[in-house]
Amino acid sequence: GAVVSQHPSWVICKSGTSVKIECRSLDFQATTMFWYRQFPKQSLMLMATSNEGSKATYEQGVEKDKFLINHASLTLSTLTVTSAHPEDSSFYICSASVTVDYEQYFGPGTRLTVT
Amino acid sequence: QKEVEQDPGPLSVPEGAIVSLNCTYSNSAFQYFMWYRQYSRKGPELLMYTYSSGNKEDGRFTAQVDKSSKYISLFIRDSQPSDSATYLCATVEGSQGNLIFGKGTKLSVKP
Repeated sequence: GAVVSQHPSWVICKSGTSVKIECRSLDFQATTMFWYRQFPKQSLMLMATSNEGSKATYEQGVEKDKFLINHASLTLSTLTVTSAHPEDSSFYICSASVTVDYEQYFGPGTRLTVT
Repeated sequence: QKEVEQDPGPLSVPEGAIVSLNCTYSNSAFQYFMWYRQYSRKGPELLMYTYSSGNKEDGRFTAQVDKSSKYISLFIRDSQPSDSATYLCATVEGSQGNLIFGKGTKLSVKP
């Protein structure tokens, strides 16, 4: 149980275009979903937290107009990187939790390369 | 001082060794502690989850929390080459369950 999927697993896009990444909890309903970014050989950096039907809460320094998060249902959240630039190239990972016990289950990650 | 400190290693051990991974944290209010394992280019996988002080065992893995010294540990017995990965400690902050991660320790188990 507690499986989280992400799609796509790897995407290459041109500078200036937008990319959407999907995160789904497959066998449970997630009250909260989280989006992280990870650079090579570094730990995970929390970008934003979202609850179903509510606006996402962004961490300090994360541009909400650039990283659009939609938490449409208890099993689906999307992250759209708008007007992507090469410095947005990174590993994006989502996680989902049932808040009552704080356990977070992570997706396999999406590698974004902006050329 | 960062809220969760973890030695990034790398740590290299022979197969069969007992591995000890450690983290310290600064905020005595933290109550929930996790250990995640992350293979290269994959998402983290939850290994152990503990609340407050004490030990928790699951197979070859034992998680230990000492709240008096703000110290958390993960022990791996009879380590295997498949245990080679980065191990991240984490604690929970805030009502939404935001995780604060350590930097991660890269472990290599040599056959």
